[in-house]
Amino acid sequence: DAKTTQPPSMDCAEGRAANLPCNHSTISGNEYVYWYRQIHSQGPQYIIHGLKNNETNEMASLIITEDRKSSTLILPHATLRDTAVYYCIVSRSSNTGKLIFGQGTTLQVKP
Amino acid sequence: GAGVSQSPSNKVTEKGKDVELRCDPISGHTALYWYRQSLGQGLEFLIYFQGNSAPDKSGLPSDRFSAERTGGSVSTLTIQRTQQEDSAVYLCASSPQTGGKNQPQHFGDGTRLSIL
Repeated sequence: DAKTTQPPSMDCAEGRAANLPCNHSTISGNEYVYWYRQIHSQGPQYIIHGLKNNETNEMASLIITEDRKSSTLILPHATLRDTAVYYCIVSRSSNTGKLIFGQGTTLQVKP
Repeated sequence: GAGVSQSPSNKVTEKGKDVELRCDPISGHTALYWYRQSLGQGLEFLIYFQGNSAPDKSGLPSDRFSAERTGGSVSTLTIQRTQQEDSAVYLCASSPQTGGKNQPQHFGDGTRLSIL
């Protein structure tokens, strides 16, 4: 499974867009990029995933570079409730689907 | 609808005792996963079920750990002769299926296990 690299922490002002980067330079052609987040004392929460194309849902947007070696999760209008650890994970479609978590990025949204 | 439910939410037990942790996945989800989150270790995969079968047990840390799933639904993770290093939050996740369509996993809030 490909590994991912994320900055350990980031700050964002409330109401501003939060842009969380992730490097996955060893990603394979059939591996998806997933984003989860974990708010303190809760289980991880699925945010979004994609293969090649950019994706958007009610929570966030996922921008994947053309070479697929990196991606950015965008929270368009961050709120205090978005303070959490954000995990970028690469998972192959043909395997068991188990998720390999790294250390993630701790996003602190400040008023 | 109901999400993944885990019980108990907290468990404190003495070293050497056996513990059972329960996971009720989302109805209809055929894939079920157990993970463990320890301080300083992050989230690590333990075992994967597809239906009642466990094709991937590679993350179980020792033979004191076992898990079963019955009726394609409820799963139980059992830790025998608990040790202090077993203290962690044990998380369960389920998804409609694996492979192919890449359905995301939905997590419960975990069982916090403390070994005295």
